[in-house]
Amino acid sequence: AQSVTQPDIHITVSEGASLELRCNYSYGATPYLFWYVQSPGQGLQLLLKYFSGDTLVQGIKGFEAEFKRSQSSFNLRKPSVHWSDAAEYFCAVGDDNFNKFYFGSGTKLNVKP
Amino acid sequence: AAGVIQSPRHLIKEKRETATLKCYPISRHDTVYWYQQGPGQDPQFLISFYEKMQSDKGSIPDRFSAQQFSDYHSELNMSSLELGDSALYFCASSDRTGGATDTQYFGPGTRLTVL
Repeated sequence: AQSVTQPDIHITVSEGASLELRCNYSYGATPYLFWYVQSPGQGLQLLLKYFSGDTLVQGIKGFEAEFKRSQSSFNLRKPSVHWSDAAEYFCAVGDDNFNKFYFGSGTKLNVKP
Repeated sequence: AAGVIQSPRHLIKEKRETATLKCYPISRHDTVYWYQQGPGQDPQFLISFYEKMQSDKGSIPDRFSAQQFSDYHSELNMSSLELGDSALYFCASSDRTGGATDTQYFGPGTRLTVL
């Protein structure tokens, strides 16, 4: 069965520092991978997605993610974090039957001034 | 372009009451998904519809039902509400006409509080 693991529940970084949020997935076929961001009390906003092709994908707000099949990972990165990036980040994998997404448990990002 | 619209945004109900949540997908999107996100939890898939037919079912209680209408909007009906139903309910939509899994675009959610 498909599953997504986000090992880090909380991460705190200083503003201006680099960021990497980890995501590991379990899926038998070619995964469709997504990162969403959720601000408190808000909906899920798509940051970026990977379907095929170039394994390094660029998203909005300066985020990027790299798909590594050998490690079953899809880690999210940003070179310089801004205070407005404080939010919860969810990694998700979609199946190829056009159906549900499986979400990780989320990583809460706190940004120190 | 307008995103996914959900109404109401907030809903307060008593135990054993019923609630109806509505979702209006992005224009020309033919697939709707419902998710439930409990406090501090990740979104859990409930049910999905493609072209007005149920396409997949997750951990949706028997007390809940849903449907997709001819204009592609969807309604989630919840009966005999329990305290544990208090959560944020998300609707997402996607376009399957490309023949492959596509991005799900999420609405802002409906926050249901059961007292």
